[in-house]
Amino acid sequence: ETGVTQSPTHLIKTRGQQVTLRCSSQSGHNTVSWYQQALGQGPQFIFQYYREEENGRGNFPPRFSGLQFPNYSSELNVNALELDDSALYLCAARPAANYGYTFGSGTRLTVV
Amino acid sequence: GQSLEQPSEVTAVEGAIVQINCTYQTSGFYGLSWYQQHDGGAPTFLSYNALDGLEETGRFSSFLSRSDSYGYLLLQELQMKDSASYFCAVILSGAGSYQLTFGKGTKLSVIP
Repeated sequence: ETGVTQSPTHLIKTRGQQVTLRCSSQSGHNTVSWYQQALGQGPQFIFQYYREEENGRGNFPPRFSGLQFPNYSSELNVNALELDDSALYLCAARPAANYGYTFGSGTRLTVV
Repeated sequence: GQSLEQPSEVTAVEGAIVQINCTYQTSGFYGLSWYQQHDGGAPTFLSYNALDGLEETGRFSSFLSRSDSYGYLLLQELQMKDSASYFCAVILSGAGSYQLTFGKGTKLSVIP
């Protein structure tokens, strides 16, 4: 498997609900990062995982959490959804010796 | 805090050359990357500069001056398909991890 795959592509949730977004990357890409991108803005760093441990976090509240699994898949969980959480959520992965990230196509989350 | 500055919009003629500048103020600077994103698409890695100087990849070149906290992306022989948003992104090091932080992006419009 090559590249980064995200699911679902689109999602509509109600304020206050919880959501789980998924990402699958290729073998050897053991660093995975999640980003939130609002329309017309640059991606904002949420957090990063390396070998299943979080090793970096951006300015996002604790209701944004994640997991990385041994099979190079990962999850982004968001609790207590707010209207402002509506955005494109991007997953990006890279191997240890390379600083070029491969991005997935993203999940478009709409909170109503 | 961290800041990256790049022009919000640039327009150039097909076949011409365009330069997109990026200045940054960060702590823990490790390197500078550039990403391209078409409307509705995922960011795509273009280049990475860890050392001062010019890196060339086909029609695209990227430059870094660490002493000036400045870099640029140079696009030659512009094509219509180059119309996209271009993001400079710094790689920051700290606590044993490397994180990618994006600027707000430059929207490039290539006109006939």
